[in-house]
Amino acid sequence: EPEVTQTPSHQVTQMGQEVILRCVPISNHLYFYWYRQILGQKVEFLVSFYNNEISEKSEIFDDQFSVERPDGSNFTLKIRSTKLEDSAMYFCASRKDREGEKLFFGSGTQLSVL
Amino acid sequence: KQEVTQIPAALSVPEGENLVLNCSFTDSAIYNLQWFRQDPGKGLTSLLLIQSSQREQTSGRLNASLDKSSGRSTLYIAASQPGDSATYLCAVRRRSGGGADGLTFGKGTHLIIQP
Repeated sequence: EPEVTQTPSHQVTQMGQEVILRCVPISNHLYFYWYRQILGQKVEFLVSFYNNEISEKSEIFDDQFSVERPDGSNFTLKIRSTKLEDSAMYFCASRKDREGEKLFFGSGTQLSVL
Repeated sequence: KQEVTQIPAALSVPEGENLVLNCSFTDSAIYNLQWFRQDPGKGLTSLLLIQSSQREQTSGRLNASLDKSSGRSTLYIAASQPGDSATYLCAVRRRSGGGADGLTFGKGTHLIIQP
């Protein structure tokens, strides 16, 4: 069964460093998302992406964050200057074109900012 | 602002029991509601999706209902098995005129099925 793939599974970085989290969505999907989950807290929406542009972003997704689909398969989340509070599990998700389709999640990247 | 609450936060039952997980949301203007399963250290797996116009959805031993006007959904698990042990998350998508929209999640119900 097709799946959303995320790399790396774990990433450790120093505060102030830039990180790029990578995702390969399911190949025929057109809508892409990033969510995050801080340990012990709810899963939170960050951003949605469609037709090579951001469709919606949450209050969390400030100027330190950016997303890109550099080619036909990858979808990346960049954090420009990481802070301690950016430590979380980051999930990529995708869905098909048709409204109402289920969302498919990757297994996540655990980001630890030291 | 939409808030999603799930009760109970944790539940431990013997194998074979039928059980109900509850989800409530504050803004009834939703587009759809999804139930997810999350296993430790893994991503989320969508179990059932209910459109705002629907009352329930079924998949195998799982049945999800939706009462949009009262802001409630339930996930019914029949004949529970140890493999059902996981955290179950409820998430709502608000009404959207566009094609993409973020989900608002509850904190989940941590379910343990005792063998």
